Amino acid sequence: DSGVTQTPKHLITATGQRVTLRCSPRSGDLSVYWYQQSLDQGLQFLIQYYNGEERAKGNILERFSAQQFPDLHSELNLSSLELGDSALYFCASSEWTGENSPLHFGNGTRLTVT
Amino acid sequence: SQQGEEDPQALSIQEGENATMNCSYKTSINNLQWYRQNSGRGLVHLILIRSNEREKHSGRLRVTLDTSKKSSSLLITASRAADTASYFCATDEDCQTALIFGKGTTLSVSS
Repeated sequence: DSGVTQTPKHLITATGQRVTLRCSPRSGDLSVYWYQQSLDQGLQFLIQYYNGEERAKGNILERFSAQQFPDLHSELNLSSLELGDSALYFCASSEWTGENSPLHFGNGTRLTVT
Repeated sequence: SQQGEEDPQALSIQEGENATMNCSYKTSINNLQWYRQNSGRGLVHLILIRSNEREKHSGRLRVTLDTSKKSSSLLITASRAADTASYFCATDEDCQTALIFGKGTTLSVSS
């Protein structure tokens, strides 16, 4: 058990809809990362937060947004969903002391857009 | 963006054999990490090697890093069926804070 909790585990929704994925990081970890994993694109880095502030941005679409709250949990919001957004979305956390420390991954949210 | 590229994409071996996976990357790095993913589950960190290190061991795992060739290898010795999984290398591209993952090597170990 990595200590990272993601909810929900599965999500099925229709095109055009909006969903929110939630992540609770491992106790003591200040940094949260979101990744998208699909068969054709592999594991794509979306965005990183550190102690509530956005730290790095990757291939995150404008339709997607995220935030990290004062209690350090994070939410990833996906809107105007398209079929191609179907994927596994992972949250990971780390201590991040200034240099990359290991990431601890949750078990992901499997999003299916129909 | 995809920083690491693993090779081979898939590997099938028998229990007891060694498995070697390679990773190449494009930019300067602070460190390189290897992760394992069982089907449909979250990734699990295996080992981290810093840019000033050449080799690192952890149990049956041996990782090497050649920064001049921008490549790394992961060796799993005496493979077991339980080692069946996908293995990913990840780097901090251009010494940034986020880890960028390759597409992985799928290892299948049969008994």
